[in-house]
Amino acid sequence: EAGVTQSPTHLIKTRGQQVTLRCSPISGHTSVYWYQQALGLGLQFLLWYDEGEERNRGNFPPRFSGRQFPNYSSELNVNALELEDSALYLCASSRSGRLNTEAFFGQGTRLTVV
Amino acid sequence: GESVGLHLPTLSVQEGDNSIINCAYSNSASDYFIWYKQESGKGPQFIIDIRSNMDKRQGQRVTVLLNKTVKHLSLQIAATQPGDSAVYFCAERREWAGNMLTFGGGTRLMVKP
Repeated sequence: EAGVTQSPTHLIKTRGQQVTLRCSPISGHTSVYWYQQALGLGLQFLLWYDEGEERNRGNFPPRFSGRQFPNYSSELNVNALELEDSALYLCASSRSGRLNTEAFFGQGTRLTVV
Repeated sequence: GESVGLHLPTLSVQEGDNSIINCAYSNSASDYFIWYKQESGKGPQFIIDIRSNMDKRQGQRVTVLLNKTVKHLSLQIAATQPGDSAVYFCAERREWAGNMLTFGGGTRLMVKP
């Protein structure tokens, strides 16, 4: 069974540009979570999608947004990129949005803003 | 604000020894505490979790201890192996919040051969 897949694996963007990151959850998983892991820092919760709806978002500005598609895959969009957006963006999926189920993480997309 | 934090940034142990990684938390309303392992170039991998109404839970070579009195969480790894070298994160979540996790800052475990 394939794990959580993210694309692209690496990305370099210029300040002010926009970027879209993609995530495919494990088959059967309906919840997708996005986390930001800046260099030397822990993981910060960004967004939670469950059954196509945004359930919650972390303390990030509105230029961080996303969506979940009917097949439960998800996109994370970041507008007006800033240098401090450089980080590893991790996607995780789980079977249900609210029950006690393990989250499985992808390998992440390394975004560098120059 | 509420947070989950770690005492030590780096822990170096000899292969075969036991490792103990500690974590302090401040949110007494958390329902679950979880340990994740992150190897270089990979996403975090679930190790073990413990519900807030438990004190101890054991897995394969790992044990998680929860002391609610002092809001302390620890991960014990028995007979540490080179493959255990990684960054370990503690995290907490509420039962209603799925896997919307609050992570600690991470501890790097280095296993010396």
